[in-house]
Amino acid sequence: EAGVTQSPTHLIKTRGQQATLRCSPISGHTSVYWYQQALGLGLQFLLWYDEGEERNRGNFPPRFSGRQFPNYSSELNVNALELEDSALYLCASSLAGLANQHFGDGTRLSIL
Amino acid sequence: AQSVTQLDSQVPVFEEAPVELRCNYSSSVSVYLFWYVQYPNQGLQLLLKYLSGSTLVKGINGFEAEFNKSQTSFHLRKPSVHISDTAEYFCAVSDRSGAQKLVFGQGTRLTINP
Repeated sequence: EAGVTQSPTHLIKTRGQQATLRCSPISGHTSVYWYQQALGLGLQFLLWYDEGEERNRGNFPPRFSGRQFPNYSSELNVNALELEDSALYLCASSLAGLANQHFGDGTRLSIL
Repeated sequence: AQSVTQLDSQVPVFEEAPVELRCNYSSSVSVYLFWYVQYPNQGLQLLLKYLSGSTLVKGINGFEAEFNKSQTSFHLRKPSVHISDTAEYFCAVSDRSGAQKLVFGQGTRLTINP
């Protein structure tokens, strides 16, 4: 069984650009979660999608957005990139809530 | 709202020694508790979780944790560590409302010395 896959592995952007990160959940999982792991800020919850709908979001500005597609894959969009957006972005998927989350290896976003 | 404090940012131990990684949480409601491990350049892997029932929870790789409601703690223990346990460990909490929002501690870097 394939795990959670994230692409790209690394992404380099400049300030003001837009970034798109992608996540493919484990087959059969309907929920996707996004987290940001930034130096000095630790791990923070970003977004939760389930059955194509955004169900909850963390304390992030609106320029962080995303969507979940009918096949349950998801993408995270970050607009108007700022230096402090440099971080590892982790995606997780689950069929039955937080207790059964499986994480991908992340996308490292670097803002120059 | 919930918060998590991991009391040690770094813990060095010798191989085959016991280890305890400390975690305290704050919440006005009942919670679920988790410990995750992160190896270099990888995502998180669930070590164990407390949802309900027995306060002593056993996880993978020989780890266990005890939920102490009165002290609002959820410390992680292993009786004998191996070099391969070198990693970052995160304690996390969520409420039971269905909001599905994990709040993480700052992490503890466990270094095993031969």
